[in-house]
Amino acid sequence: DTEVTQTPKHLVMGMTNKKSLKCEQHMGHRAMYWYKQKAKKPPELMFVYSYEKLSINESVPSRFSPECPNSSLLNLHLHALQPEDSALYLCASSQVRGPYEQYFGPGTRLTVT
Amino acid sequence: GENVEQHPSTLSVQEGDSAVIKCTYSDSASNYFPWYKQELGKRPQLIIDIRSNVGEKKDQRIAVTLNKTAKHFSLHITETQPEDSAVYFCAASILGQAGTALIFGKGTTLSVSS
Repeated sequence: DTEVTQTPKHLVMGMTNKKSLKCEQHMGHRAMYWYKQKAKKPPELMFVYSYEKLSINESVPSRFSPECPNSSLLNLHLHALQPEDSALYLCASSQVRGPYEQYFGPGTRLTVT
Repeated sequence: GENVEQHPSTLSVQEGDSAVIKCTYSDSASNYFPWYKQELGKRPQLIIDIRSNVGEKKDQRIAVTLNKTAKHFSLHITETQPEDSAVYFCAASILGQAGTALIFGKGTTLSVSS
């Protein structure tokens, strides 16, 4: 199984809502990532988990809260988002020690109203 | 932090021609350079990668070259086909125990016309 899955595919939320994005992989990868991608832009790194511990936080606002409950799952909890947070949220996973290819999920298309 | 510049932003070629996309990076500690292809509405997919201890790598019609001194790397696609049309992103990273934090270039939209 070389697939990363993400749910939901689409999400519309108001600025006062709380929602969560979910990512799952069963490739035995111990590094997992959240990226944000706006239209016609590159993926922008948000968080990196290595061995279930948060290793990199790219100065992401606290309204985004990541969680890695186990080695296969990665969540992104959303609260009090702004309309400018509307984007495609991509999850990825990879080995920590190599090979280093990151496998991306299909993404969650988030719209904040 | 790392900064990756990518050129050109758009590239149009005829089927069968070659295409070259160039990237420069700023952090001399970066040692891993992947290239991703993203078709419209789809997820990014790795097409080739290179580590800093290697100057060139080839996989069928795709090759990547790296010049560590000049801090630039390039993607070469030969005998282009319409299905090569997509957005291509270069990226740079420092490999380590913290995972591989990819910093992407802004992307090149490649159009191959038949």
